[in-house]
Amino acid sequence: EVQLVESGGGLVQSGGSLRLSCAASGFTFSDYWMHWVRQAPGKGPVWVSRINSDGSSTSYADSVKGRFTISRDNAKNTLYVQMSSLRVEDTAVYYCVRDSRYNPELWGRGTKVIVSS
Amino acid sequence: QSALTQPRSVSGSPGQSVTISCTGTSSDVGGYNYVSWYQQHPGKAPKFMIYDVSKRPSGVPDRFSGSKSGNTASLTISGLQAEDEADYYCCSYAGSYTWMFGGGTKLTVL
Repeated sequence: EVQLVESGGGLVQSGGSLRLSCAASGFTFSDYWMHWVRQAPGKGPVWVSRINSDGSSTSYADSVKGRFTISRDNAKNTLYVQMSSLRVEDTAVYYCVRDSRYNPELWGRGTKVIVSS
Repeated sequence: QSALTQPRSVSGSPGQSVTISCTGTSSDVGGYNYVSWYQQHPGKAPKFMIYDVSKRPSGVPDRFSGSKSGNTASLTISGLQAEDEADYYCCSYAGSYTWMFGGGTKLTVL
């Protein structure tokens, strides 16, 4: 089955760190660019970060630049995001998303991150 | 950058048609033919319903259709069914390998 499964979310204090993982299965992970997208409670999704297929190129939303680092391990079919200096406004469900020709084609079920003050 | 603008809610009776709009700018919706739409039921992953403005992935009923005019994209659902009740989000490529999403529209089937 083609799927993405996120993990690593939880409750963390403001200023803390967390690493999210996304396990891919059912497709050739190394063929695809991947993204992280987040959705705060009651809000629409917001693009966070992307990485190209071999991990050599990354980009970030201004709101997380310098605090989040996206990476991937194609041997393990896994996408990561290391989040540091977390803020209350980073509270959201974080989704791992597969890119197919500029469209967010496949989404995981998400992992919830709550940052407390 | 602001989110794409969608109506907060729409409703329709079974068998009717509804249209959800998604308004952006020339830097996103108007600038690229990479508009997609998602259906999301509570607690579930978003489901890919429309891509490249008007294309349907395999398995999506032809009751779902997409279009675009200028900076506004639209999703039309015809022959409404109870299971169509969900939140719907639009998304547009916004250049530099980034995406812009709408705020979401809650569809109620009366």
